[in-house]
Amino acid sequence: EAQVTQNPRYLITVTGKKLTVTCSQNMNHEYMSWYRQDPGLGLRQIYYSMNVEVTDKGDVPEGYKVSRKEKRNFPLILESPSPNQTSLYFCASRKGRRDSPLHFGNGTRLTVT
Amino acid sequence: DQQVKQNSPSLSVQEGRISILNCDYTNSMFDYFLWYKKYPAEGPTFLISISSIKDKNEDGRFTVFLNKSAKHLSLHIVPSQPGDSAVYFCAASARESNYQLIWGAGTKLIIKP
Repeated sequence: EAQVTQNPRYLITVTGKKLTVTCSQNMNHEYMSWYRQDPGLGLRQIYYSMNVEVTDKGDVPEGYKVSRKEKRNFPLILESPSPNQTSLYFCASRKGRRDSPLHFGNGTRLTVT
Repeated sequence: DQQVKQNSPSLSVQEGRISILNCDYTNSMFDYFLWYKKYPAEGPTFLISISSIKDKNEDGRFTVFLNKSAKHLSLHIVPSQPGDSAVYFCAASARESNYQLIWGAGTKLIIKP
């Protein structure tokens, strides 16, 4: 089954404790992206990657890191999480064409206390 | 400054009637628009898209209309069904922002039996 898999689905952590949210897709998609969803703000892009070893900042990259060492994986790293990073996070992928639809994972709900 | 606005946080429609969801944008450089649907505890799924060279695109019960002069697009669902109850996001992209999607805040559609 074609899918984008995020782990974990839920995560509660404390300020300053490094964490990684994994994202993997099995569709051989070139493009991958991370979003956060907050009430009243819709989806805001954190980072995106057009292909392996190519990453770019989105609209809200502060406090996050990503890497794209392999085509299928695009982990999101929070080196020192803070409470304002409490949010619902989505990973997405698509083919390289800009008019290809995004396929989303089911989300990771992160709470930072 | 939100470039894509969905001014109705929620909308309630009788089953079988038409649902009309609206989206306004401010950036005249946007040339590709999409609608996504999101159920609770799932990621958004692609619904329908439209290029700025068109003013209408239809797919079954779903039709998207684009009014470039008014910087306005709308999604029509006819007839509305209970399974259409979800949050609907509109998104837009432009070459100037490297084709990254800018998202509205979403409209929660409730279909009443």
